[in-house]
Amino acid sequence: GQQLNQSPQSMFIQEGEDVSMNCTSSSIFNTWLWYKQDPGEGPVLLIALYKAGELTSNGRLTAQFGITRKDSFLNISASIPSDVGIYFCAGQARGSTLGRLYFGRGTQLTVWP
Amino acid sequence: EAGVAQSPRYKIIEKRQSVAFWCNPISGHATLYWYQQILGQGPKLLIQFQNNGVVDDSQLPKDRFSAERLKGVDSTLKIQPAKLEDSAVYLCASSLVRRQGANYGYTFGSGTRLTVV
Repeated sequence: GQQLNQSPQSMFIQEGEDVSMNCTSSSIFNTWLWYKQDPGEGPVLLIALYKAGELTSNGRLTAQFGITRKDSFLNISASIPSDVGIYFCAGQARGSTLGRLYFGRGTQLTVWP
Repeated sequence: EAGVAQSPRYKIIEKRQSVAFWCNPISGHATLYWYQQILGQGPKLLIQFQNNGVVDDSQLPKDRFSAERLKGVDSTLKIQPAKLEDSAVYLCASSLVRRQGANYGYTFGSGTRLTVV
């Protein structure tokens, strides 16, 4: 199956700092999604990207669909304690079964007050 | 709108027992997915339905796992018999795929945490 490499695996930052994480794939994707998962809950969609080069914001979050269509990044500005959680990238490969998503292994974010 | 509903939230069973999970997707979402999420990993697709038909079950261990979506709405996932390595969170998701190759409204339920002892 498709491999998604998500980095970093974990981050420990202080409140107010900016955060950046990224995801790369071995093949071309036509959809990139970023999710946040809190303990005991399912992933919650943060941002969806559908076009190469697309830059989309959702409050303090900004994500971009890479020009090569093999990567995406997520930035969080001015982090706050409630940003703590696991962030997953997910994508749909071009030509894959309709709607199937592949997930990265996640970035564990810890924010110190 | 109501989200994806799953039950139960937690289940503990002994190995070789059977277990079933239930999912009710968002109204109008034709596509339903079951994922397995092992601790420390991202979700892995087990099976995908389009209405009541199976689109992709290539990752489903069919010797012990089965799933159905008889009326194109609710779905059940069953494991029989369970093994220790089946301990995981089982997530259900649904989406409204409006055009070929694109996911819209892809939403997850809260999951069922299964522990096999």
